[in-house]
Amino acid sequence: DAGVTQSPTHLIKTRGQHVTLRCSPISGHKSVSWYQQVLGQGPQFIFQYYEKEERGRGNFPDRFSARQFPNYSSELNVNALLLGDSALYLCASSLFGGGLRVGYEQYFGPGTRLTVT
Amino acid sequence: QKEVEQNSGPLSVPEGAIASLNCTYSDRGSQSFFWYRQYSGKSPELIMSIYSNGDKEDGRFTAQLNKASQYVSLLIRDSQPSDSATYLCAVINAGGTSYGKLTFGQGTILTVHP
Repeated sequence: DAGVTQSPTHLIKTRGQHVTLRCSPISGHKSVSWYQQVLGQGPQFIFQYYEKEERGRGNFPDRFSARQFPNYSSELNVNALLLGDSALYLCASSLFGGGLRVGYEQYFGPGTRLTVT
Repeated sequence: QKEVEQNSGPLSVPEGAIASLNCTYSDRGSQSFFWYRQYSGKSPELIMSIYSNGDKEDGRFTAQLNKASQYVSLLIRDSQPSDSATYLCAVINAGGTSYGKLTFGQGTILTVHP
């Protein structure tokens, strides 16, 4: 089975621009979460979507938005890019949303490396 | 106080030794606990999940959870150079707005030398 896929792999943008990152979850998984990881730190939670509804939002500005499509794939959008948005953006897939028991384990895709100049 | 704390290391162990990685968390409502391995330039890979107090073994890996002490650990037996990576501890408090949010520690760098 294919794992979580993300596109693009790498991206270079200029300050003020907009970016869209894409994610396809593991087949059968209904939940997608987005994380931002800067060098030397653990990933930081941005959003979780389950059954196409936003179920959780991290401490990120409104410039960050996301959505989940009927096929459970997802997009993360970032407007008005800042230099500080340069990071590895990770998508994680899980069977269900939440986190109580088996079936909620989150599996990460390869990530999108975003560089803002 | 950080929500999830790990010793950033680096932790250096000889090949064949036991590597012990530790993690503490501050939220007593945390219910689910995970260890991820991240090689340099790659994404995190789930290696263990644990939900109840006690030990859970999977091959060379053993996760230990003590909710009273708010402590979770990972033991790697017979360490191999291929185990050299950053190990990330993550927890979930599935209540309220936290839902399925994974909260990560900063990671411990493990180096296994031949």
